[in-house]
Amino acid sequence: NAGVTQTPKFQVLKTGQSMTLQCAQDMNHEYMSWYRQDPGMGLRLIHYSVGAGITDQGEVPNGYNVSRSTTEDFPLRLLSAAPSQTSVYFCASREPRDRGTEAFFGQGTRLTVV
Amino acid sequence: AQSVTQLDSQVPVFEEAPVELRCNYSSSVSVYLFWYVQYPNQGLQLLLKYLSGSTLVESINGFEAEFNKSQTSFHLRKPSVHISDTAEYFCAVSENLRYQKVTFGIGTKLQVIP
Repeated sequence: NAGVTQTPKFQVLKTGQSMTLQCAQDMNHEYMSWYRQDPGMGLRLIHYSVGAGITDQGEVPNGYNVSRSTTEDFPLRLLSAAPSQTSVYFCASREPRDRGTEAFFGQGTRLTVV
Repeated sequence: AQSVTQLDSQVPVFEEAPVELRCNYSSSVSVYLFWYVQYPNQGLQLLLKYLSGSTLVESINGFEAEFNKSQTSFHLRKPSVHISDTAEYFCAVSENLRYQKVTFGIGTKLQVIP
């Protein structure tokens, strides 16, 4: 049981490049989400999904796209990277059937945009 | 909308001394409350949570938190800290709904001094 797996762990992009951050979970969780963590700002929700085919915006969605074609995978796409997207990105999953269940986090992807 | 305020960004404390990390929240409905811990270069892990019932909740490594509805607080305490407790601690809140979003505070860095 691997939990939540994020790839890559580190990435450097040039301004304007695109890339996809991968997130996969093997716990059959309905709810998945992407956060970015910046110093002094905590974790801010980018996008989330409540099941395959259903996604919605979080607090800071601009510049990011998501899709959810399967229960297991929830990739985050940066279409045209900007220096302001330099951050640590965390994917999390949760099973909401039991209310108040904890979120399981991946190890994070550290992204630098130059 | 829900929000979380962690009043201290950094808390230095000597080893074996007690510590309190403060957290206040706001919400118009009943909530679930969480404390997560993040060790360097890792994702977040659940430390403890309050769902209902007893207002005092405990973790397996000696931390405890008390839900105070009248003061809308969920402060984290430990009577005697260890070097290994050095980490960043995040308070989080989610509303009592099925697909509740989790809102995180900005985090408190606990530095245990030998």
